[in-house]
Amino acid sequence: AQSVTQLDSHVSVSEGTPVLLRCNYSSSYSPSLFWYVQHPNKGLQLLLKYTSAATLVKGINGFEAEFKKSETSFHLTKPSAHMSDAAEYFCVVSDRRDDKIIFGKGTRLHILP
Amino acid sequence: DTAVSQTPKYLVTQMGNDKSIKCEQNLGHDTMYWYKQDSKKFLKIMFSYNNKELIINETVPNRFSPKSPDKAHLNLHINSLELGDSAVYFCASMSTAYEAFFGQGTRLTVV
Repeated sequence: AQSVTQLDSHVSVSEGTPVLLRCNYSSSYSPSLFWYVQHPNKGLQLLLKYTSAATLVKGINGFEAEFKKSETSFHLTKPSAHMSDAAEYFCVVSDRRDDKIIFGKGTRLHILP
Repeated sequence: DTAVSQTPKYLVTQMGNDKSIKCEQNLGHDTMYWYKQDSKKFLKIMFSYNNKELIINETVPNRFSPKSPDKAHLNLHINSLELGDSAVYFCASMSTAYEAFFGQGTRLTVV
């Protein structure tokens, strides 16, 4: 069965410093992987997606993620954090075998001034 | 045009009432879902439909009944609402490329 593990429930970085949000997945078939962001009391916004094309995926707002099959990872990065990046981030996997979309438990990103 | 739209956005109701949340997608996808987001922000799948047929039912109480009149719509009806049903409910659809599209959520508050 597929699963997603977000390794940190909370991450705090200073404004202007790099962001790393970690995600490991388990899937017995070719997965599609996504990162979503949810600002307080808002809906889910797609940041970026991997669907078996280029392994380095660029998304909105300067975020990017790299699919590493050997490490079963899909970590989210950003070179320089901005105050507006403070939100909850979800790593998501879907695969062809059972049509499920599985969410990680989320990582709350805090940006320190 | 909104790809996946849910109504209402907010719903406040008393315990014991019956309520419905509607979801429509204009993307032509065959597969649609309902997810529940609890107070700890965890998103858990409730139901999945493919072309109007129930595919996944993740041990949700039978007070929750999805209805899919056509493949563009997946509504969620909840009977005898309880305090623990308070949550944000998200509708989603999935493309043939296994990309997920989410509605903006319905915040249900049971008082």
